[in-house]
Amino acid sequence: AQKITQTQPGMFVQEKEAVTLDCTYDTSDQSYGLFWYKQPSSGEMIFLIYQGSYDEQNATEGRYSLNFQKARKSANLVISASQLGDSAMYFCAMRERTGRRALTFGSGTRLQVQP
Amino acid sequence: DSGVTQTPKHLITATGQRVTLRCSPRSGDLSVYWYQQSLDQGLQFLIQYYNGEERAKGNILERFSAQQFPDLHSELNLSSLELGDSALYFCASSPRTGYPYEQYFGPGTRLTVT
Repeated sequence: AQKITQTQPGMFVQEKEAVTLDCTYDTSDQSYGLFWYKQPSSGEMIFLIYQGSYDEQNATEGRYSLNFQKARKSANLVISASQLGDSAMYFCAMRERTGRRALTFGSGTRLQVQP
Repeated sequence: DSGVTQTPKHLITATGQRVTLRCSPRSGDLSVYWYQQSLDQGLQFLIQYYNGEERAKGNILERFSAQQFPDLHSELNLSSLELGDSALYFCASSPRTGYPYEQYFGPGTRLTVT
């Protein structure tokens, strides 16, 4: 069974600084995908970034980058130059590459960006 | 805007009642997933449909059922509601082709059972 662990229930960061949100995962599959989603206070889930288990380079999407360390089974999200609008819940999720493609989510990290 | 629509946005009902949540996936997406987000259980996968057929089941209670219609919209039926069913219910859709098949979520339906 897959498991996602996010050990930081809450994080604070100053505006314009970088922040790293931790995510570790457990799976017996060799092939899998890792996702990060943002959930603002309004409730919607916004897809941010994806990393495949066989991707050799870390994924980047604008100010978001994923620090993927396969041997350590970690997939940390790095947000550079934080903005007030980044304040939200962030969820790490995993999906098997084959078969059932549903997402398994972590418990989330609440990020608050301070001016 | 993800392109996934869900109705209603809010639903308040009493214990023992039955409700239906509706989801329309993004144009062209054949897969629909239902998730439940509650304070105690977090985000959990309930069920997946692909082009009208049930593809996978997660932690879905027997009191819950779903279907996907020929026009690809999906409905989640919740019956004999209990207080613990109060949650945010999300529908998500993913592309038929184009790895990594990321899932795009609708705005959710917030269900309150009183």
